[in-house]
Amino acid sequence: EVQLVESGGGLVQPGRSLRLSCAASGFTFDDYAMHWVRQAPGKGLEWVSGISWNSGSIGYADSVKGRFTISRDNAKNSLYLQMNSLRAEDTALYYCAKVDKFLGGAFDIWGQGTMVTVSS
Amino acid sequence: QSALTQPASVSGSPGQSITISCTGTSSDVGSYNLVSWYQQHPGKAPKLMIYEVSKRPSGVSNRFSGSKSGNTASLTISGLQAEDEADYYCCSYAGSRRVFGTGTKVTVL
Repeated sequence: EVQLVESGGGLVQPGRSLRLSCAASGFTFDDYAMHWVRQAPGKGLEWVSGISWNSGSIGYADSVKGRFTISRDNAKNSLYLQMNSLRAEDTALYYCAKVDKFLGGAFDIWGQGTMVTVSS
Repeated sequence: QSALTQPASVSGSPGQSITISCTGTSSDVGSYNLVSWYQQHPGKAPKLMIYEVSKRPSGVSNRFSGSKSGNTASLTISGLQAEDEADYYCCSYAGSRRVFGTGTKVTVL
């Protein structure tokens, strides 16, 4: 079964750091680009960051550029998001999503998300 | 990086057809035929419904169809059913990034 499982979320104070992980299974992880998408409580989806299969191409939303770092470990079938200098507006459910190049780069598989709450 | 513009809500009776618009710019929707649509039920992860403007992944009902004209993409749901009640989001490729729509709540009356 193709599956993505996020972890690492929690309650963190403003200005602190958190590292999210996404464990992939059921597909050849290093064949696919991966992304992070977040959803603030009661709000819409917001693209956060994406990374190519070999980490050669990386992109960030302006809202997180310079504070968040995406990375992957293909040997461990894992995707990561290092989040520094966290702000209240970073509070959201963070999803990892698999990209399928045969589906026009659409997000075909999503995890269930991990909740990040930034509050003092 | 502004979000693509969608109507906040659209409603229809069972069996009717509804259309959701998704308006972007010449830097995203207008430049690429790489618009996708996602359905999200409350408390659930999004589900891919349409990719490359108008193509349906395996397993998605043919009641869902997509199109694009200029900077505006559209999702049409025909033969509306109760299970179609959900939030819908468009998403466009935009070079090194992606941009989502503001989301549309579909209500089946």
